[in-house]
Amino acid sequence: NAGVTQTPKFQVLKTGQSMTLQCAQDMNHNSMYWYRQDPGMGLRLIYYSASEGTTDKGEVPNGYNVSRLNKREFSLRLESAAPSQTSVYFCASSGTPREQYFGPGTRLTVT
Amino acid sequence: AQKITQTQPGMFVQEKEAVTLDCTYDTSDPSYGLFWYKQPSSGEMIFLIYQGSYDQQNATEGRYSLNFQKARKSANLVISASQLGDSAMYFCAMREPPSGNTPLVFGKGTRLSVIA
Repeated sequence: NAGVTQTPKFQVLKTGQSMTLQCAQDMNHNSMYWYRQDPGMGLRLIYYSASEGTTDKGEVPNGYNVSRLNKREFSLRLESAAPSQTSVYFCASSGTPREQYFGPGTRLTVT
Repeated sequence: AQKITQTQPGMFVQEKEAVTLDCTYDTSDPSYGLFWYKQPSSGEMIFLIYQGSYDQQNATEGRYSLNFQKARKSANLVISASQLGDSAMYFCAMREPPSGNTPLVFGKGTRLSVIA
């Protein structure tokens, strides 16, 4: 049981480049989430998908798009990266109200 | 207004002592859930403990317990018998309402350092 997996673990982009962060879970959870973590800010919600086929914006959605490819996979795309998107990105999934499990994170630097 | 407030940016505790990490929350919904996560220097988010607003008893998980005071809107994490491996960032988070698909709202965290 891998839980929540994310790829890549590290990425360096130049301003204006695009990339997709991949996330997959093997726990048969309905809901998946993308958060970002900046120093001193805790985690903030970018987008989430309550169930397959639905996505909703979170607190900080600007500059991002998401795709819920199927029940297992939820990707986050940066179309034109900016230095302000330098952050650690966490994917998470949830199947019951009493749980939310996180992936290992992706450390992204935009120069 | 912040939904989750963690007022202690940093805390120190002697090994084998108990420590309390503070968390207050703001909600008008009577139904909610509260989480605590540990983030060691390696960066992963480790789930520690959960408390539902209607749970009859305060949550406990091994050395972790939650001092839940609903009227004060506080959900403090108590770590007993601290170990060097407990040194990490600790985050309090809330889910309202506590359905399986609602996202979490996080506090800014408390950095705990355990001293030998």
